[in-house]
Amino acid sequence: QVQLKESGPGLVKPSETLSLTCTVSGFSLTSYHVSWVRQPPGKGLEWMGVIWGDGSTAYNSALKSRLSISRDTSKSQVFLKMSSLKTEDTATYYCARDWTFAYWGQGTLVTVSS
Amino acid sequence: DIQMTQSPSFLSASVGDRVTINCKASQNINKYLNWYQQKLGEAPKLLIYNTNNLQTGIPSRFSGSGSGTDYTLTISSLQPEDVATYFCLQHSSRYTFGAGTKLELK
Repeated sequence: QVQLKESGPGLVKPSETLSLTCTVSGFSLTSYHVSWVRQPPGKGLEWMGVIWGDGSTAYNSALKSRLSISRDTSKSQVFLKMSSLKTEDTATYYCARDWTFAYWGQGTLVTVSS
Repeated sequence: DIQMTQSPSFLSASVGDRVTINCKASQNINKYLNWYQQKLGEAPKLLIYNTNNLQTGIPSRFSGSGSGTDYTLTISSLQPEDVATYFCLQHSSRYTFGAGTKLELK
């Protein structure tokens, strides 16, 4: 069955770079695109960016200068890197599959604090 | 980027009430509009895709409508388990979520 699972550090310092991994199973990354979505505590959902089945990427304009999404198809993994972290980047980070967003990971909480 | 304006932000209703939540896009999104339900501590759950298509396993009291820039999620008879936050998502041009509607029981 389709599964996605996020992993990464729970705590990152301001100005540092966040690295997260989304490990998927039950589908191929070359057939389905995967997005990253984040949600600050008690707030709404923000689409961050996507890696398409052909490996190209697209980003939220507000985050584009700090964000990079890549993948390793052999390991069924999608990676998020976001630089110059601020306290307001504290959020639960999710990965989700295709335009339906019918499949989500369980989310990983990242706290940005010194 | 397409902007999504969702209303109301907060809604209080009684069991059995008909509930409507609205999303307005900043431009025509050609019915590329999905709705999600999110309960506390959980990932969002797809309810409706492409304006009016009910996702498998979702109760028929949920329905969607709309066209152009204006879209609506309707719960025909509110149940206690429907207490949650609801989000719309446009997928006409990249992706944009609405800000959410928190639904509680009166």
